[in-house]
Amino acid sequence: QKEVEQNSGPLSVPEGAIASLNCTYSDRGSQSFFWYRQYSGKSPELIMSIYSNGDKEDGRFTAQLNKASQYVSLLIRDSQPSDSATYLCAVKGGGSQGNLIFGKGTKLSVKP
Amino acid sequence: DTGVSQDPRHKITKRGQNVTFRCDPISEHNRLYWYRQTLGQGPEFLTYFQNEAQLEKSRLLSDRFSAERPKGSFSTLEIQRTEQGDSAMYLCAIRRPGSGNTEAFFGQGTRLTVV
Repeated sequence: QKEVEQNSGPLSVPEGAIASLNCTYSDRGSQSFFWYRQYSGKSPELIMSIYSNGDKEDGRFTAQLNKASQYVSLLIRDSQPSDSATYLCAVKGGGSQGNLIFGKGTKLSVKP
Repeated sequence: DTGVSQDPRHKITKRGQNVTFRCDPISEHNRLYWYRQTLGQGPEFLTYFQNEAQLEKSRLLSDRFSAERPKGSFSTLEIQRTEQGDSAMYLCAIRRPGSGNTEAFFGQGTRLTVV
């Protein structure tokens, strides 16, 4: 059973701080990793994808991947109250169908 | 705009009734997926289509569930004899050509409540 694990939170950070969200996965053969943001009552929105070891930056977001440790993280710099949401980590499942396996999500709360 | 429209946005039904949801991909795409998300959980894969062919079904898709995609355009997901455990958000997602390695873009979802 392929699994993706995340701390459910809530993770609370003050406005302007760095929020660090973590994810581990069980399938060592996974090659594709994604972070989605989901506001309450809304559908998931893709914010980052990463495929190679190392860091990938996009604006205030940085995704980090360490395949040896089977670990993915998302850093949000200069956190804003509008970043308050649930962040879902997703890993491409095995096989050719390309479906994603999601963690349960980490709820982030940014306090003004 | 993710290029995926779902209808209805909300559905309340009585236990035992049948319901049907629709997904309309607006953007060019090569695959269409259905996921289900219950409260406090991440989305779970149900099934996917490549053009009109349904190529994979998860074990979550019991015989009360059926998905179709006539002519490779819109897709429908039907649940027969609904149960309270079917209450969830049903999400449609597409994979766009050239969108990298399996990036999925979700529609707004259909929230089903079975009473």
